[in-house]
Amino acid sequence: GQNIDQPTEMTATEGAIVQINCTYQTSGFNGLFWYQQHAGEAPTFLSYNVLDGLEEKGRFSSFLSRSKGYSYLLLKELQMKDSASYLCAVPNQAGTALIFGKGTTLSVSS
Amino acid sequence: DSGVTQTPKHLITATGQRVTLRCSPRSGDLSVYWYQQSLDQGLQFLIQYYNGEERAKGNILERFSAQQFPDLHSELNLSSLELGDSALYFCASSAGDGGWDVESYEQYFGPGTRLTVT
Repeated sequence: GQNIDQPTEMTATEGAIVQINCTYQTSGFNGLFWYQQHAGEAPTFLSYNVLDGLEEKGRFSSFLSRSKGYSYLLLKELQMKDSASYLCAVPNQAGTALIFGKGTTLSVSS
Repeated sequence: DSGVTQTPKHLITATGQRVTLRCSPRSGDLSVYWYQQSLDQGLQFLIQYYNGEERAKGNILERFSAQQFPDLHSELNLSSLELGDSALYFCASSAGDGGWDVESYEQYFGPGTRLTVT
């Protein structure tokens, strides 16, 4: 089966850099996905990694190590609007559904 | 705005009742997914439809059913409601051919329907 672990909460200050870790266990692997969800709103797609390494997308970067079952989302130059929940997701074994972690709630303060 | 619409935004109903949630996917997307999000369980995949046909099932209860119509909008029917069914229900859509590739995993979520069962 699938198991995804993320820290429940993190705090940081404006302008700082924060790294949100995600560890996963899955029988097959078709990629790892990050979604952002502001409180009371819909999740929005941020990034995906299929191969090992770092994918950069503006202030956000995502890293994957398949051998370690580990990923992180790196947020640079934090802004107040980055306060949200960040969800890590992997496909299930059959590749027929996305399994989401419970999310990491990030609070950015001034 | 993701381009996915859901109605109603809020729904309050009593235990034992039946409700229908409606979703319209982004223009051109043939795949629709339904998710349930509660505080303790997180975001849980319920079911996927592609071009009118059921493609994948997740943790969907037998009391719940869904369908996708020829105009590609989808409805999620929840019956014999229980207090524990109170949650946010999201619909998402994606491009792709109904298989499970990156295009399928990049999903666009609607604003959700908040269901409260009293």
